[in-house]
Amino acid sequence: GENVEQHPSTLSVQEGDSAVIKCTYSDSASNYFPWYKQELGKRPQLIIDIRSNVGEKKDQRIAVTLNKTAKHFSLHITETQPEDSAVYFCAASRSTSGTYKYIFGTGTRLKVLA
Amino acid sequence: DAGITQSPRYKITETGRQVTLMCHQTWSHSYMFWYRQDLGHGLRLIYYSAAADITDKGEVPDGYVVSRSKTENFPLTLESATRSQTSVYFCASSERQESYEQYFGPGTRLTVT
Repeated sequence: GENVEQHPSTLSVQEGDSAVIKCTYSDSASNYFPWYKQELGKRPQLIIDIRSNVGEKKDQRIAVTLNKTAKHFSLHITETQPEDSAVYFCAASRSTSGTYKYIFGTGTRLKVLA
Repeated sequence: DAGITQSPRYKITETGRQVTLMCHQTWSHSYMFWYRQDLGHGLRLIYYSAAADITDKGEVPDGYVVSRSKTENFPLTLESATRSQTSVYFCASSERQESYEQYFGPGTRLTVT
């Protein structure tokens, strides 16, 4: 079945440094790739997404890149801050009956050290 | 965020008992989803619904039953709870086509003893 691999499972960076999280998907028909952030004890919330017709998307300190040929996409966070500490989930999806069912990666716990 | 709620927030039940987790959204979103979150597995889709009276299986549907008689409610029932169903359950909703974003509820932490 469809699968999304996410690496690393944990990541520690110094405040101000950059963080990169990588995901690989198996379903070549996937065409929508969201990233969710989940703070401790909270619900997942969308932080950025990208569609398959775009190679890169930026929103202030976060960016996502997509390589359809290699079937992988990455989240880049620059100038990390303590409030960036959370678990980040990638997902891959394609339209099924008018909606997008997500296949999530297993998550990356990011710790930003002050 | 207040638009999608889950109840109860915490539940302890015994093996073999039936338990129902409730999900309610006020946005009139067409699509609703149930996920379970377990360490090392991320979020896995249990069931989803495209509209009232339309439901379909996700990745891990065994042992679960859903219904959707009204657009705003999407209850998840564990017919005979097992310890392996101890998890955090998230409900989510999204609007058809306008946005692919799924909005998550606050979650229900279920412990099966």
